[in-house]
Amino acid sequence: GENVEQHPSTLSVQEGDSAVIKCTYSDSASNYFPWYKQELGKRPQLIIDIRSNVGEKKDQRIAVTLNKTAKHFSLHITETQPEDSAVYFCAASKSGGSNYKLTFGKGTLLTVNP
Amino acid sequence: NAGVTQTPKFRVLKTGQSMTLLCAQDMNHEYMYWYRQDPGMGLRLIHYSVGEGTTAKGEVPDGYNVSRLKKQNFLLGLESAAPSQTSVYFCASSLVGGAGGYTFGSGTRLTVV
Repeated sequence: GENVEQHPSTLSVQEGDSAVIKCTYSDSASNYFPWYKQELGKRPQLIIDIRSNVGEKKDQRIAVTLNKTAKHFSLHITETQPEDSAVYFCAASKSGGSNYKLTFGKGTLLTVNP
Repeated sequence: NAGVTQTPKFRVLKTGQSMTLLCAQDMNHEYMYWYRQDPGMGLRLIHYSVGEGTTAKGEVPDGYNVSRLKKQNFLLGLESAAPSQTSVYFCASSLVGGAGGYTFGSGTRLTVV
């Protein structure tokens, strides 16, 4: 089955700096890659996703890039703010066939220091 | 439109007791999932369902049972709770399964003493 590795496990940045979280996946057939943000004590929420026919996707201060050849994808947050502090999870899946579920990375705790 | 609702939000059980966690969604989603979240372990899939009347095992199914008698509800049961089942449990639902995003419930914090 699919295996998703996520790095780093913790990341501390100063407010205004950029943050990058990287994930690798094992199944070359995977074609859907979402990112979730989980604030302390809250539920995970989808913040951005990318499909394999796209190399990069942006939404304001966040962007995701995908390198299918290397089987890795990354989350980029620019101009970080204290409210970006949270645990971020990457995930992967493939559509079609008997696949019905996402495989998650173990998460990255991002701390943005004022 | 409440999305995904989990009950209860908190529970303390004694070892050997049983309980049922309820997940309800009002988005007409076919797919529903139960995950547990432990520090440093991320989100691990316990069981899932691809439609009313169906269930399937996930990554860590031992000690849990599930039922999906109605499309909108997905129940997670612990027949004989153990301290190793102390965790935060999240239910999620999806319109298109793994090919689309999940909507998560707010979680249930379970402590087994």
